[in-house]
Amino acid sequence: DIVMTQTPLSSPVTLGQPASISCRSSQSLVHSDGNTYLSWLQQRPGQPPRLLIYKISNRFSGVPDRFSGSGAGTDFTLKISRVEAEDVGVYYCMQATQFPPLFGQGTKLEIK
Amino acid sequence: QVQLVQSGAEVKKPGASVKVSCKASEYTFTGYYIHWVRQAPGQGLEWMGRIKPNSGGTNYAQKFQGRVTMTRDTSTATAYMALSRLSSDDTAMYYCASNVQLDYYYDMDVWGQGTTVTVSS
Repeated sequence: DIVMTQTPLSSPVTLGQPASISCRSSQSLVHSDGNTYLSWLQQRPGQPPRLLIYKISNRFSGVPDRFSGSGAGTDFTLKISRVEAEDVGVYYCMQATQFPPLFGQGTKLEIK
Repeated sequence: QVQLVQSGAEVKKPGASVKVSCKASEYTFTGYYIHWVRQAPGQGLEWMGRIKPNSGGTNYAQKFQGRVTMTRDTSTATAYMALSRLSSDDTAMYYCASNVQLDYYYDMDVWGQGTTVTVSS
């Protein structure tokens, strides 16, 4: 099975400053159809997960443009350009190129 | 609006079974997979399996094979996840999710509110 590794596991950030989370897979996530099925989800405290980014860099409907995704192959990054208080929570990458879909361990974003 | 509404919290004894429901509304239930994802207390997300509501076809994570059964009732637009031979390790929040707005079946863009299952003697 693929192994998904997120870093850091915890990220204290000052409001208004940028944040970056890395996600690395043990195998290429390029699907045979040419797409790369790597997504990012946000889970605020006490809430279900929420899809932020799909296929590496596509923001889902209603997601603020301060969130962006990038990467290719095995290395991916979620960036928040200016962290706001509502961004506190845990962020997960998820690969769905190979069966079964697999989440990273999660990165806890907190305010300094 | 499009939503998935799950059944209420459950408390079960070790060795028992649990069945959680997930009712879909404001979209064509048979058009999109329903996934089940669980989260143990303080832990990350774990995909359990999926069901294709129009056919009833299922795919399960190997870890849960033989212990999980996913079904659906198209007349009520409800999906079900049953887990048997419960142990304390199954204490978790269980979520259903679907890809109602996106094309790829694993792009889970709608989530239920979650159902807490507690296994305790």
